[in-house]
Amino acid sequence: DTEVTQTPKHLVMGMTNKKSLKCEQHMGHRAMYWYKQKAKKPPELMFVYSYEKLSINESVPSRFSPECPNSSLLNLHLHALQPEDSALYLCASSHPGGGEAFFGQGTRLTVV
Amino acid sequence: GENVEQHPSTLSVQEGDSAVIKCTYSDSASNYFPWYKQELGKGPQLIIDIRSNVGEKKDQRIAVTLNKTAKHFSLHITETQPEDSAVYFCAATAGGGGYQKVTFGIGTKLQVIP
Repeated sequence: DTEVTQTPKHLVMGMTNKKSLKCEQHMGHRAMYWYKQKAKKPPELMFVYSYEKLSINESVPSRFSPECPNSSLLNLHLHALQPEDSALYLCASSHPGGGEAFFGQGTRLTVV
Repeated sequence: GENVEQHPSTLSVQEGDSAVIKCTYSDSASNYFPWYKQELGKGPQLIIDIRSNVGEKKDQRIAVTLNKTAKHFSLHITETQPEDSAVYFCAATAGGGGYQKVTFGIGTKLQVIP
């Protein structure tokens, strides 16, 4: 199994809503990542977890709250988002020592 | 931090011709250079990669070259097919600390004209 599974595939939320994005992998990877991708732009790193501990927060606003409950799961909790937060949110995983990062298909988020 | 420049931003080729995409990186600590293909509505998918101790790697119609001294690396696609149409991202990666930090180029939108 070389898949990273993200749910939901699409999400529309209001600015006062609370929602969560989920990511799951069963490749034994101990590094997991959240990226944000705007249209016609490359993915931008948001957060990195290594061995279930937050290693990098790229100055992401606190309305985005990551969580890594175990070595297979990664969540991104969303609260009080702005319309400019609408984007494709990608999860990825890799071996901590390096090599290929496997990406999920992403969650297309629209904030209304 | 790392900076990856990629060009061209768009590329149109006739089916059967070759396509070349070039990238440069700035951080000499980067040691792994993946290339990703992203189709519309999908996540990036690795198509080929190269490590800093290797100068060239080939996989069927796809090849990548790396000039570590000049900090240049390139993707070559031969005998292009319509299904090669997509956005291609080069990336530079430095490991350590139990994770790898991937810096992407801006992407190249490749159109293969039948």
